[in-house]
Amino acid sequence: AQSVTQLDSQVPVFEEAPVELRCNYSSSVSVYLFWYVQYPNQGLQLLLKYLSGSTLVKGINGFEAEFNKSQTSFHLRKPSVHISDTAEYFCAALMNSGGYQKVTFGTGTKLQVIP
Amino acid sequence: EPEVTQTPSHQVTQMGQEVILRCVPISNHLYFYWYRQILGQKVEFLVSFYNNEISEKSEIFDDQFSVERPDGSNFTLKIRSTKLEDSAMYFCASPMTAFFGQGTRLTVV
Repeated sequence: AQSVTQLDSQVPVFEEAPVELRCNYSSSVSVYLFWYVQYPNQGLQLLLKYLSGSTLVKGINGFEAEFNKSQTSFHLRKPSVHISDTAEYFCAALMNSGGYQKVTFGTGTKLQVIP
Repeated sequence: EPEVTQTPSHQVTQMGQEVILRCVPISNHLYFYWYRQILGQKVEFLVSFYNNEISEKSEIFDDQFSVERPDGSNFTLKIRSTKLEDSAMYFCASPMTAFFGQGTRLTVV
């Protein structure tokens, strides 16, 4: 079955430190990959997406992600986090499912930035 | 960037009542999806709608749920008889661009 895995449910990190949120997907077909951020009591906001082309994708708020086909990964990184980055981050993949396309989400990673 | 618009942003309803959640997808997109997120849990697929027909639905999408395109532009998700466990955020999405609406927070009391 096609799936998206986020191994870390919570990631605490000190302010101004770098962070990496891990995401792996399982699919035998081409995928489009996305990272979303969700602040408390709010909807999903698209951070960045990989559709094709350069494997290093830059998004909003200083985040970037690298698509690694051989490792089937799409890890999210930020060199220096701020308190305002405290939120839950979801990795998602658009894959073919039975001839139709479907977005599958990971279980989310809660990023807690410590002052 | 194009937007997917959902209304209302928040709805409170009594158990057993019917609710209709509305979504205006990106124009000219034939696909749209509904997802649900129970508080503190992952985002779950409900149903996909392609060219005025349901193309796929999850086990969550039982007989109390229905989707329609009543006027050619808006899409609706109807829950016929709400239960307490239907309380969640409901998102519609235009999958080709993976744009999600801001969601409707449904609270069943």
